[in-house]
Amino acid sequence: QQQVKQSPQSLIVQKGGISIINCAYENTAFDYFPWYQQFPGKGPALLIAIRPDVSEKKEGRFTISFNKSAKQFSLHIMDSQPGDSATYFCAGDNYGQNFVFGPGTRLSVLP
Amino acid sequence: DAGITQSPRYKITETGRQVTLMCHQTWSHSYMFWYRQDLGHGLRLIYYSAAADITDKGEVPDGYVVSRSKTENFPLTLESATRSQTSVYFCATQTRDFYNEQFFGPGTRLTVL
Repeated sequence: QQQVKQSPQSLIVQKGGISIINCAYENTAFDYFPWYQQFPGKGPALLIAIRPDVSEKKEGRFTISFNKSAKQFSLHIMDSQPGDSATYFCAGDNYGQNFVFGPGTRLSVLP
Repeated sequence: DAGITQSPRYKITETGRQVTLMCHQTWSHSYMFWYRQDLGHGLRLIYYSAAADITDKGEVPDGYVVSRSKTENFPLTLESATRSQTSVYFCATQTRDFYNEQFFGPGTRLTVL
């Protein structure tokens, strides 16, 4: 199994702060790196995704930074809000063969 | 338009009983997946299906059986439930176009006593 490692396991951030979650992967054949957001009692939903031909992708307050040589990517949440409190999963996908998810990070944003 | 639904949403059963979890999609996405979610393990793939009558094992298939006679349905059966199968089960679909996005159902919380 090609692992995707994720850290930290849990994160507490003050409102307005920056949340940073890091992931590392092993499979160099991965061609798609999504981040999923999951609220309690709900299924995960796609938040933002990147392909390895770019080093950064930004959508509103959410940014993915991608380092192909280090096989690492990270999610940055700027101006974190209490509504961002959720569990975040990174993943790698190998040309649509199947997703490999990281173990998840539980984010709590304090008001 | 419901998209993807799972039933039941909650299920309590006893060790040794057979349990079937249902998954239904209205999009006609070709790929469907079953994951289980356990604390500390994230989402682990049980089985997936590329199309009707085509299924394949994922990371943790032991103790589970799937079928896909119709594109829109992908039931997951626990033939003889064990306590270790207590988990939250998610069904997902995927279009397999350029975007690769997977769409998840609301989940089924299964407790095996």
